[in-house]
Amino acid sequence: AQTVTQSQPEMSVQEAETVTLSCTYDTSESDYYLFWYKQPPSRQMILVIRQEAYKQQNATENRFSVNFQKAAKSFSLKISDSQLGDAAMYFCAYRSNFTGNQFYFGTGTSLTVIP
Amino acid sequence: GAVVSQHPSWVICKSGTSVKIECRSLDFQATTMFWYRQFPKQSLMLMATSNEGSKATYEQGVEKDKFLINHASLTLSTLTVTSAHPEDSSFYICSARFGLAGAGEQYFGPGTRLTVT
Repeated sequence: AQTVTQSQPEMSVQEAETVTLSCTYDTSESDYYLFWYKQPPSRQMILVIRQEAYKQQNATENRFSVNFQKAAKSFSLKISDSQLGDAAMYFCAYRSNFTGNQFYFGTGTSLTVIP
Repeated sequence: GAVVSQHPSWVICKSGTSVKIECRSLDFQATTMFWYRQFPKQSLMLMATSNEGSKATYEQGVEKDKFLINHASLTLSTLTVTSAHPEDSSFYICSARFGLAGAGEQYFGPGTRLTVT
């Protein structure tokens, strides 16, 4: 099974500053998707950004961008101009295009935004 | 965007009883639904995958007789926790896939908190 590793259990960032959350994964597949999900205290999973493995260009969504390094199997999330509402648990996730399409989640990074 | 609902959002039951959790795709037909379990401050762990009209596929270590999954229609999947015990207390999240495998989008429900006393 695929494994997803988030090595930073907790991170903090000053409001308006930039923070980068790390994620690495292990797979033998060539075609897959990578995601960052945000889980606020409400526990609702919210999609932040998605990257398709066959696309070399890094995905961006407003203040959120990724650094996708396919050879290194690395997928970090950069949050620019951090806002108080960004405080949440962030999960990196892998989804195969073949094996059932279920998500494999990392252990999560708890992000605190300091006003 | 597509909406997935879960009902109830929070349930308390006594040890030994059964409880049913519903997962509905409100504005799309979900060919596949997934059930996850999340313990406090931990990640989501896949329990099972259910396809409409067929038996669910359970992950290793998940007791299929304890966690009964039914996917009777393209908009509804249910998870029944039978003979619940306090260790079954957890947060249960479903997701529903819309469209073709691989390219199909998936949407998460808001979760159900189960407390077994």
